[in-house]
Amino acid sequence: QVQLQQWGAGLLKPSETLSLTCAVYGGSFRDYFWTWIRQPPGKGLEWIGMTSHGGSSDYNPSLKRRATISLDTSKNQVSLKVISVTAADTAVYYCARGFGPHILREVFRNNWFDPWGQGTPVTVSS
Amino acid sequence: DIQMTQSPSSLSASVGDSLTITCRAGQSINNYLNWYQHKPGKAPNLLIYAASTLQSGVPSRFSGSGSGTDFTLTISSLQPEDFATYYCQQSYGTPWTFGQGTKVEIK
Repeated sequence: QVQLQQWGAGLLKPSETLSLTCAVYGGSFRDYFWTWIRQPPGKGLEWIGMTSHGGSSDYNPSLKRRATISLDTSKNQVSLKVISVTAADTAVYYCARGFGPHILREVFRNNWFDPWGQGTPVTVSS
Repeated sequence: DIQMTQSPSSLSASVGDSLTITCRAGQSINNYLNWYQHKPGKAPNLLIYAASTLQSGVPSRFSGSGSGTDFTLTISSLQPEDFATYYCQQSYGTPWTFGQGTKVEIK
C-alpha cells in the first residue's frame, strides 16, 4: 500500500523560501502525477500545482509563479519550493498522488488525488 | 477559475441519520467531480471520484451523483467515524478548485 511521508521546515520568516519534501513508499512512482495542496488556518483547501514524469507541470496562478514542484525519481520523492513567502503562505501543506484515465497521455482532466500525505504545518512570521 | 459552492456549510446529525451534501459548479464540469473526507490532524481521504465512483475501501453507505453543474454526496446511516468535513473538488480545468467544505457534527 502506497504511503506518502512529508517533511520540511515549519517556521519561516517573510521573504524566505518554503521547501518541503514528500517521499513515496510502495507502489509505482511513474504511473501517476504528483501534486501539492494547502489549507490556511480556518480555511478550505487550495490546490498549489502538479507535475508529471512526462514533464508536464501546472500551477495555481494565485501563487504568482512563486511555486515549483519537482521530482527526484532516484529517491521516489516530490518536492515543493515556494519563494518569497509571506504570512499568507501560512498553512498546512499536503502532497498527494494524482491519477486519472488519461494521465499516461499527459492529459490532466478527470483526475483525483489519492492518497495524501500527513500534512506539514508551515508558519510564516517575523 | 471554476467556483465550487457547497451547501450547507455545516450540519448537525445523529448516528443512523442519512444526509446529503450539495456541490454546485460555476460552469458545467461534466462528471469531473471528486469528494474527500477530512478529519482534523489527518490527511484528506478520497471517497468518490468521477461524481459517482466509490473509491476502493470506502464503505458503501457513501454515494455520489450528478453531472454538469449540480452534484450530491449522500451518506446513508451515519456512523460515528463519519463526523468530519467534506470537500468537493473539480478536475475539469486548472486551477483545480475545492468547495469551501461542509462540516458534519454530532447532534
